[in-house]
Amino acid sequence: NAGVTQTPKFQVLKTGQSMTLQCAQDMNHNSMYWYRQDPGMGLRLIYYSASEGTTDKGEVPNGYNVSRLNKREFSLRLESAAPSQTSVYFCASAEGGVNEKLFFGSGTQLSVL
Amino acid sequence: EDQVTQSPEALRLQEGESSSLNCSYTVSGLRGLFWYRQDPGKGPEFLFTLYSAGEEKEKERLKATLTKKESFLHITAPKPEDSATYLCAVRGAAGNKLTFGGGTRVLVKP
Repeated sequence: NAGVTQTPKFQVLKTGQSMTLQCAQDMNHNSMYWYRQDPGMGLRLIYYSASEGTTDKGEVPNGYNVSRLNKREFSLRLESAAPSQTSVYFCASAEGGVNEKLFFGSGTQLSVL
Repeated sequence: EDQVTQSPEALRLQEGESSSLNCSYTVSGLRGLFWYRQDPGKGPEFLFTLYSAGEEKEKERLKATLTKKESFLHITAPKPEDSATYLCAVRGAAGNKLTFGGGTRVLVKP
């Protein structure tokens, strides 16, 4: 019962480096999400994918790109990392529908120096 | 724009000392108010969904209630294992996403 799996768990980057955060779910969910969590600011939506083949911007999309590779996988890419992107990143998935509840992964702690 | 404010930011309780957490919200057309629990180093875990004013839901020592402007999470006779951050979120009619509050960190001392 893996649920939502995120890799890596920890990452340190230098300013300007690029990296991709991976997320996979095994619950056959339609919707997938990327959030970032910063102290005192709660969870903020970066991008989401309502279904395979579609992606939409959330509240804080600047500096990020996403790919919905297939129904299971949703990746988040930082093309040129900045210190402001130091955060904890969470991937989540949901069955779909108006009142869906989210299932979260365990997070990736990213530091950009 | 949907907004969620949680209070207090932090709460220290003695084991057995009941208390309530507040979640105030503004949203266009509430489609659901969600409570999550988050343990350190982990992702949020779903607790409850409330859909309309007057609705209540319970799970063990937790009870969530909803009015038109706020929700309360009541913790009755808490135990140390109830220590966590509790997050509130709303889904409005306009969007396909949840808007989260900043959370309340609860510490229950034995």
